[in-house]
Amino acid sequence: DAGITQSPRHKVTETGTPVTLRCHQTENHRYMYWYRQDPGHGLRLIHYSYGVKDTDKGEVSDGYSVSRSKTEDFLLTLESATSSQTSVYFCAIKGRNTGELFFGEGSRLTVL
Amino acid sequence: DQQVKQNSPSLSVQEGRISILNCDYTNSMFDYFLWYKKYPAEGPTFLISISSIKDKNEDGRFTVFLNKSAKHLSLHIVPSQPGDSAVYFCAASSSGATNKLIFGTGTLLAVQP
Repeated sequence: DAGITQSPRHKVTETGTPVTLRCHQTENHRYMYWYRQDPGHGLRLIHYSYGVKDTDKGEVSDGYSVSRSKTEDFLLTLESATSSQTSVYFCAIKGRNTGELFFGEGSRLTVL
Repeated sequence: DQQVKQNSPSLSVQEGRISILNCDYTNSMFDYFLWYKKYPAEGPTFLISISSIKDKNEDGRFTVFLNKSAKHLSLHIVPSQPGDSAVYFCAASSSGATNKLIFGTGTLLAVQP
């Protein structure tokens, strides 16, 4: 158990509304990631963080922002949700001694 | 541009037989490769990895083979079990960007009893 908690696990919202997904870890890992999973696209990296207040873009960062004000929390924000952002979002942390990522259970977001 | 490709969206095998899942990559800078397994409504879990200095890595029923010249890796599961039914993702990273894992599109494996 990598100690990762995602919230909310399920959310339905309307186009144009802001949405924030939270990832919380209990093991003081430096690197945290947000991925989205979509049929036919696999897992795509949105943003990642390499420390408090240090973040970088991934493959599909448009329309998303992130913040990390504490080691344990990594927030993903959709400023104005669109239907194309309907997806399952996974948070991950990087193992200290390996290149492996450990994933949370996912947050399913539906934008109507 | 998909840097990591899994061209078979699905695969069906009989219990006890071998499952072979394939993955191709285009970025010659990739030097570390991983396989993940994902059950419905759960997060992906790490299965096995291989560094580019090796061409094979084995862990129990799971073996990953790497062919660098062909930019191809494969995951062999022997013998396959019904509990292996899941989506399998391959992923890759480079030593110049160790903090970014690039994933393929996944292959749904169904192991028939």
